[in-house]
Amino acid sequence: AQRVTQPEKLLSVFKGAPVELKCNYSYSGSPELFWYVQYSRQRLQLLLRHISRESIKGFTADLNKGETSFHLKKPFAQEEDSAMYYCALSWSASEKLVFGKGMKLTVNP
Amino acid sequence: DTGVSQDPRHKITKRGQNVTFRCDPISEHNRLYWYRQTLGQGPEFLTYFQNEAQLEKSRLLSDRFSAERPKGSFSTLEIQRTEQGDSAMYLCASSSGTFYGYTFGSGTRLTVV
Repeated sequence: AQRVTQPEKLLSVFKGAPVELKCNYSYSGSPELFWYVQYSRQRLQLLLRHISRESIKGFTADLNKGETSFHLKKPFAQEEDSAMYYCALSWSASEKLVFGKGMKLTVNP
Repeated sequence: DTGVSQDPRHKITKRGQNVTFRCDPISEHNRLYWYRQTLGQGPEFLTYFQNEAQLEKSRLLSDRFSAERPKGSFSTLEIQRTEQGDSAMYLCASSSGTFYGYTFGSGTRLTVV
């Protein structure tokens, strides 16, 4: 079965520090990976997609098929990055997303 | 277009009662999804519509749950004979396709007492 694991529930860093939010997945085929973010009192929204190979708000994520990982990275965290982050997996035979349990990032001033 | 709208925002109901939630997607999106989220968990897939056709259902969707999307526009999710375990945030999302990303609504928080 397809599964997404976010091994850490909480991460607290100071402003300007690098951050890495870990995501591992379980799927034998070719996955599509996503990061979604939920800021305080806002709805869940798409942050970035593996397929686009884009950088959004300074965040990047690289799909490593050998390690089945899709870690989210930012070299210099900002206070406004504080939020819940969810990694999600999809695949070509389905329209649904499988989400991880999420990770709360707190960036302190 | 103001995005994906869900109504109501909050619902408190007594165990055994029926409840119905509504979702209005972005008009250009032909795909509509329902997810459920409980505390400390990520969203869990319930069901998916492409236009008016319900194409995929999760095993989480017991026979007490039913969803419709008449005319391929808004959707309703009904829960019959609610149980305390149904207490959760029910999220609706719409999309032009999963690979383009979902646009989520604010959710309906259900509390069964």
